[in-house]
Amino acid sequence: GAVVSQHPSWVICKSGTSVKIECRSLDFQATTMFWYRQFPKQSLMLMATSNEGSKATYEQGVEKDKFLINHASLTLSTLTVTSAHPEDSSFYICSADVGGGRDYGYTFGSGTRLTVV
Amino acid sequence: KQEVTQIPAALSVPEGENLVLNCSFTDSAIYNLQWFRQDPGKGLTSLLLIQSSQREQTSGRLNASLDKSSGRSTLYIAASQPGDSATYLCAVRLYSSASKIIFGSGTRLSIRP
Repeated sequence: GAVVSQHPSWVICKSGTSVKIECRSLDFQATTMFWYRQFPKQSLMLMATSNEGSKATYEQGVEKDKFLINHASLTLSTLTVTSAHPEDSSFYICSADVGGGRDYGYTFGSGTRLTVV
Repeated sequence: KQEVTQIPAALSVPEGENLVLNCSFTDSAIYNLQWFRQDPGKGLTSLLLIQSSQREQTSGRLNASLDKSSGRSTLYIAASQPGDSATYLCAVRLYSSASKIIFGSGTRLSIRP
């Protein structure tokens, strides 16, 4: 149980285009989902917290107009990288709160490798 | 500001050895601590979750301990196998924020056959 499905697993796009990444909770409802970015051999950095039915909360230094987050339902959150640049190339991972509370930890998607050329 | 540190950054040991990975955090006001495994280019797999009121958790060959007062957690791996090779991350969930978790920098573990 408690599976988070993330798609696509990898994507290559041209500079200036936009890319959408989906994160779905398959067997539970996720009021809150989280988006992380990871550079090679580095840890995960929280980008934003996505709340169903409301605006996402972005971490300091993350451009909300560049990284658009939509959490339209209890099972789906999307991250759209707009006007992508090569420096946006990274590994993006989503996660969701399991069990609706603090007692059960997080479960993570399998990640999306974005390469902007 | 909560900071999470993992030592060592990388570790290579021969197969069969028991080993300990360390995680330290600066603010003891945590709700829980979670250990994850990450294989190259993959997402995170949760290994063990320790609530702030607990001292340790065990799963198979893995044992995680938590000493909240000293800001430390250890992940003990018994009888290591080449399949244990991965990056291990610890993460703390804060009391001060409803849902945020802060990750350590990870330990890259390599088990030599």
